[in-house]
Amino acid sequence: DQQVKQNSPSLSVQEGRISILNCDYTNSMFDYFLWYKKYPAEGPTFLISISSIKDKNEDGRFTVFLNKSAKHLSLHIVPSQPGDSAVYFCAASAFSGGTSYGKLTFGQGTILTVHP
Amino acid sequence: DSGVTQTPKHLITATGQRVTLRCSPRSGDLSVYWYQQSLDQGLQFLIQYYNGEERAKGNILERFSAQQFPDLHSELNLSSLELGDSALYFCASSDHRGSGTEAFFGQGTRLTVV
Repeated sequence: DQQVKQNSPSLSVQEGRISILNCDYTNSMFDYFLWYKKYPAEGPTFLISISSIKDKNEDGRFTVFLNKSAKHLSLHIVPSQPGDSAVYFCAASAFSGGTSYGKLTFGQGTILTVHP
Repeated sequence: DSGVTQTPKHLITATGQRVTLRCSPRSGDLSVYWYQQSLDQGLQFLIQYYNGEERAKGNILERFSAQQFPDLHSELNLSSLELGDSALYFCASSDHRGSGTEAFFGQGTRLTVV
């Protein structure tokens, strides 16, 4: 039962263009969503997050959009740079408590390649 | 540098053996999480500790166990190792200060079972 899904295993984009990474979730208890970036042989690095009370959060070149009714979120990177090439993981948590307090459920990841 | 330290970075061991992976969380973080990443797969949640107590359990095998010590460092014990246990094991920590649940990850321990 995969509660967080990233249906695109890979994405290839030209430098300077927009990268859009997508993520879908099924668990309606999730109320906090995060994106992580991972380089080979390194741990995931936190990028940006969004609470379910918002529909957009922006941090520099990175913007996350949340559509609760569709249970869908996306990460936009504008403009894309070759250094952005990495695996991007979407993650979700039920912040409101319960036995899974703080636990992150990850998607399978999308490999982003930005070509110069 | 996330502030989360994992040792060792690499571990090669034989089937049937037991290993211990160690994690030191970021200063002040009370929660420690363990995740497993097998070949080209996503990160699978194993277990969470909060201030020394087990808080949540995921798909953790009975051969695996963990604990968090009074100084907040954590250890993941893997026993009766099988070839399929070969994976990257990540530790993460967070502070649960109410602003969200960003977890910060260590560099991981790559376990190879031969």
